[in-house]
Amino acid sequence: RKEVEQDPGPFNVPEGATVAFNCTYSNSASQSFFWYRQDCRKEPKLLMSVYSSGNEDGRFTAQLNRASQYISLLIRDSKLSDSATYLCVVSSGGYNKLIFGAGTRLAVHP
Amino acid sequence: DAGVIQSPRHEVTEMGQEVTLRCKPISGHDYLFWYRQTMMRGLELLIYFNNNVPIDDSGMPEDRFSAKMPNASFSTLKIQPSEPRDSAVYFCASSMDWAREQYFGPGTRLTVT
Repeated sequence: RKEVEQDPGPFNVPEGATVAFNCTYSNSASQSFFWYRQDCRKEPKLLMSVYSSGNEDGRFTAQLNRASQYISLLIRDSKLSDSATYLCVVSSGGYNKLIFGAGTRLAVHP
Repeated sequence: DAGVIQSPRHEVTEMGQEVTLRCKPISGHDYLFWYRQTMMRGLELLIYFNNNVPIDDSGMPEDRFSAKMPNASFSTLKIQPSEPRDSAVYFCASSMDWAREQYFGPGTRLTVT
């Protein structure tokens, strides 16, 4: 089993839609969680950290479920500019490094 | 504040040649990471440094790859000799701690023919 697993997508949604991605992780000792965004032919960029209590940044909401070992990202009122690959990132819990998921591709259409 | 700086942005070389990729981390960041990204394998951690010391190089594919960090503001990743299967985008990232958010440079797109 991979340490971090994501549905590769693509998720094709119309503008204005709400879309949610989940990401599961295998190591219960993981302590740090992030969502990154990567545009085509660009570097990954930090979208938001994920806190135990859940957190929101504008149209984006991230949540952590430790019992079921997954994190989620909710995007409300999708914009064309949200089209990108979203990478789930989890600390390794013992190997002192961050593990990047393979990413979920989102395509928002008019 | 300048972000992570990488050079060159693009490199095309012939098989067997030596390739050197360069990275300048964000000032004040004690950790520096080298990643490789391909369509097939995604983003792979090659090696990372803490305070200029290599901590984990378990991701370095083979002896043809080497990395150095002579000071806090500069690191190199060298491939010698290069092979076509080394073609990928190589990213450098830096952070304040291994478990903290990492900031990536724009990457070097390497093509080995």
